[in-house]
Amino acid sequence: GQNIDQPTEMTATEGAIVQINCTYQTSGFNGLFWYQQHAGEAPTFLSYNVLDGLEEKGRFSSFLSRSKGYSYLLLKELQMKDSASYLCAVRVTEGGKLSFGAGTTVTVRA
Amino acid sequence: KAGVTQTPRYLIKTRGQQVTLSCSPISGHRSVSWYQQTPGQGLQFLFEYFSETQRNKGNFPGRFSGRQFSNSRSEMNVSTLELGDSALYLCASSLAGLAGDEQYFGPGTRLTVT
Repeated sequence: GQNIDQPTEMTATEGAIVQINCTYQTSGFNGLFWYQQHAGEAPTFLSYNVLDGLEEKGRFSSFLSRSKGYSYLLLKELQMKDSASYLCAVRVTEGGKLSFGAGTTVTVRA
Repeated sequence: KAGVTQTPRYLIKTRGQQVTLSCSPISGHRSVSWYQQTPGQGLQFLFEYFSETQRNKGNFPGRFSGRQFSNSRSEMNVSTLELGDSALYLCASSLAGLAGDEQYFGPGTRLTVT
């Protein structure tokens, strides 16, 4: 099976920076996704890394190291609305099948 | 460009019944994947359709089936519903599901089985 690990919970203060790590051991690799999911809602696409390095999109950045089986999502200038679950997912083979981690619940406090 | 749409958004069914869920992908997207999300199991992959053919399949019983039409719209069917089928069913679309293709989710259908 596929093994994708991320911390269960993280708490940070408004305006701060939080880094959510994701490690994976999968039978193949065709890219890594990060999604944000608010309670009761569908996942929203945040980023997609298929090559090593850092991808920056506004306040969110995602990093990938394929040799280490490691990625992180960096959230800067945290806002209360960033309180959500963040899902790391790996596309193991070609196609639409993604294997998901259990998600990291981020709580932003004033 | 419109996003992924799913209908219905909410559904209540009784054990033993069957249900059909619908998903319309983003225009131009030909890959549609279905997922089940429950609090205990998280997001689990059901199956993926591409060009009207099932390309990938998860580990769900045969009661779960799907199909894709020539316009890339997809339907998912669950027969003989069980209480454990209560979940949020999500579909996601991408251009072709290849490396480099981003994948976007629809709002989901929340199914409650009583």
